[in-house]
Amino acid sequence: DTEVTQTPKHLVMGMTNKKSLKCEQHMGHRAMYWYKQKAKKPPELMFVYSYEKLSINESVPSRFSPECPNSSLLNLHLHALQPEDSALYLCASSLRGAGDIQYFGAGTRLSVL
Amino acid sequence: GQQVMQIPQYQHVQEGEDFTTYCNSSTTLSNIQWYKQRPGGHPVFLIQLVKSGEVKKQKRLTFQFGEAKKNSSLHITATQTTDVGTYFCAAPWETSYDKVIFGPGTSLSVIP
Repeated sequence: DTEVTQTPKHLVMGMTNKKSLKCEQHMGHRAMYWYKQKAKKPPELMFVYSYEKLSINESVPSRFSPECPNSSLLNLHLHALQPEDSALYLCASSLRGAGDIQYFGAGTRLSVL
Repeated sequence: GQQVMQIPQYQHVQEGEDFTTYCNSSTTLSNIQWYKQRPGGHPVFLIQLVKSGEVKKQKRLTFQFGEAKKNSSLHITATQTTDVGTYFCAAPWETSYDKVIFGPGTSLSVIP
């Protein structure tokens, strides 16, 4: 099983809403990532969890809050987002680190109204 | 700082023509990975190159890693409409094993 599952697939939220994105993998990978991708651009790294600890925060605004409840799950909590935060949010995992092959989920397409 | 560049940004080819995208790094790389993202899809891993001068083939796709490990290429022979998408190279960040830097991508269109 080389699958990374993300839910929901689509999300529309207002600027005052609170929502969460979820990501799950059962490949025994110890590194998990959140990326943000705008149209016609490469994935832009947001957060990295390594062995369930936050190892990289790419200066992401505090309205995005990551959480890693266990080695298989990754959440991204959203609060008071701005319209410019509308994008495809991708979760990925790799065996140990970014030097290993990354497996991406299908993403959550987020629209902030 | 470390930069990964790709050319061309866009490529339109007639079906059956060949296609090549080039990836260049400002620093020596430990390895390089290639991903394909179909329109409306997510990045999917294609290949990882580790050794200097390495060449790997996957059917019509040929991947090369430069001798200095600072550049790489992806060549597709006789393109098909199924090859449409954006091809990204990606490499580990030089100062952090946990981070990978993606090139800007090459978007391939195939005209039937």
